[in-house]
Parts: sequence; C-alpha cells; structure tokens
Amino acid sequence: DAGVIQSPRHEVTEMGQEVTLRCKPISGHNSLFWYRQTMMRGLELLIYFNNNVPIDDSGMPEDRFSAKMPNASFSTLKIQPSEPRDSAVYFCASSLALTTLGNTEAFFGQGTRLTVV
Amino acid sequence: SQELEQSPQSLIVQEGKNLTINCTSSKTLYGLYWYKQKYGEGLIFLMMLQKGGEEKSHEKITAKLDEKKQQSSLHITASQPSHAGIYLCGADVGTYKYIFGTGTRLKVLA
Repeated sequence: DAGVIQSPRHEVTEMGQEVTLRCKPISGHNSLFWYRQTMMRGLELLIYFNNNVPIDDSGMPEDRFSAKMPNASFSTLKIQPSEPRDSAVYFCASSLALTTLGNTEAFFGQGTRLTVV
Repeated sequence: SQELEQSPQSLIVQEGKNLTINCTSSKTLYGLYWYKQKYGEGLIFLMMLQKGGEEKSHEKITAKLDEKKQQSSLHITASQPSHAGIYLCGADVGTYKYIFGTGTRLKVLA
C-alpha cells in the first residue's frame, strides 16, 4: 500500500480564498483523522471519522472549517474563507479501529503545508 | 490544558549519550503510541504500548508504559545524529480518538 496520501503538499493562497485539502487513507482502514500542526499549539486533532461518519468535530476551530468523507477512500478538509492564522501543516491519518475501545496505530500522510497571505 | 504532557520540550545531547523522554496523562490510556517526526515531514510510527508494565524495544530505542497506564517513557541508548527530530507521544483515549503531546525536539551533536 502507498500509505496515506495527501494533496497538495504545499498550498499558498490569498486571504479570503477557499482552500480544499485532500486525503486518501490506507485501504481497509476505517478511522480517519485530520490534524493541524503549528509551532505554538503542536498537533491538534480537528475531526475524526469512523466508517465515514464524523464522530467528533469539537476540534474544528470555526464554522469556516468543514470536513467530509463521502466514501471509505477519500476525505476533504475545506477552509472557506481562509485567513492568515490558518497557516499551518495539516495532516491526515488513518487507522483500523478493531473495537470501540481499541485502535491500531495511526499512519500519517506527509501533510499539506498551507500558507495564507 | 494538554491532556498529554511531554517532557522535556527540547533536548540537546552529545552523540553517544543516553536520554529519556517522558509522557504523562491524568487519565488511563487505552493505548500509547510513540512517533518520530523530521522537520517538514509526516509522523513515523515507532512503537505501541497497550498493557500496563509493557516494554518494547526497537534497535536502540526502548519504550515503557507504567502499571497504571498513565505514564510512558522513551529511552534512547547511545544516541546518534540520526535520532534527531521531534518525538511525539500519542494516546488512544477511547471511542477511536487519538490525541498527542506537545512533542520533544531532540538534537544530537556529533
């Protein structure tokens, strides 16, 4: 398997523009996570899905952020409108949830470095 | 407040020295995961610990989980420049959810 695939790797956009980040999880994994990493706040969990259903989106900072998982092999994180403070590295990760209280390790994509100017 | 506390936040050691990184939670953890990250790259999985008292080793890196499953340590023996990076502990806090500590930046001087 190619691992978790994220696109684009780098995105530079102007304030106010819509940004869409994409993720393809590892085939067979049923949990998908979106994280944001900054120097100040470290790695923050934004939202996670299990079997394509959003389980907890309490980490999504504002209504400007939305995430979807239309099928088991694809997810998007959208920011509309984008702001300079959204600049960060966004990671997608997937894992296999074996039971409600057990997960295998999460595998991470290479991340998308977002810069909003 | 952080649910997972890591210490130290940064560490600079001379090549060949041993070092320890700690990860502490106020809650019992269902699983504890150690990752390494190089600047600008994704997280690479190192080890997973699930049972109280469990210890695992991979090459010169050893990780332990205490009996109460609230604290873990990562120990590197005879550090090398290739060990440099950011080490993050992650935890499964139930209901599919993973959270992470703030990370420890390790620099190894040749």
